[in-house]
Amino acid sequence: AQTVTQSQPEMSVQEAETVTLSCTYDTSENNYYLFWYKQPPSRQMILVIRQEAYKQQNATENRFSVNFQKAAKSFSLKISDSQLGDTAMYFCAFMIPNDYKLSFGAGTTVTVRA
Amino acid sequence: KAGVTQTPRYLIKTRGQQVTLSCSPISGHRSVSWYQQTPGQGLQFLFEYFSETQRNKGNFPGRFSGRQFSNSRSEMNVSTLELGDSALYLCASSFLQQEDTQYFGPGTRLTVL
Repeated sequence: AQTVTQSQPEMSVQEAETVTLSCTYDTSENNYYLFWYKQPPSRQMILVIRQEAYKQQNATENRFSVNFQKAAKSFSLKISDSQLGDTAMYFCAFMIPNDYKLSFGAGTTVTVRA
Repeated sequence: KAGVTQTPRYLIKTRGQQVTLSCSPISGHRSVSWYQQTPGQGLQFLFEYFSETQRNKGNFPGRFSGRQFSNSRSEMNVSTLELGDSALYLCASSFLQQEDTQYFGPGTRLTVL
């Protein structure tokens, strides 16, 4: 079974600063996909970024970037130039091909302070 | 393109009743997945459907069931409701068969009294 661990229950960051969320996972698979989802107070789950395990290059999406370390089974998310709208719970998720399901971490609540 | 829609958004039921939740995927998406979100257990996978076939099922009792229609819309049913079934139920859809990204709906908040 695949497990996803987010060791930081809560994080707080000043507006315009940078915050990094950690995520580790455990799998024996070589091919898989990793995601970060954001869930604001509205509860709508929104995709932030996606990474394919076979790609060495780290994914980026505007102010969001990941540091994917396959050997260490680590997948951290960096939010640069934090904005008030980034306040949300962030979930790290994992999927293996032909499994058709996401396995989620427990989530990290990020609060951006004005 | 419209996103994933879920109805109803809020639901209050009593123990022992049954409930049906509905999910309409993004147009063109053929895979629909369901997740349960609770404060204690977090996000847990319920099941996934593609072309009206269930391809994977999570570790939930048989009281939880689902189905998918030919237009890709999906429903999930919970029978003999228990207090512990109170949760946010999220539906997600994806385009391709395998590892394509799942896009989530706003969820249905079920409260069991």
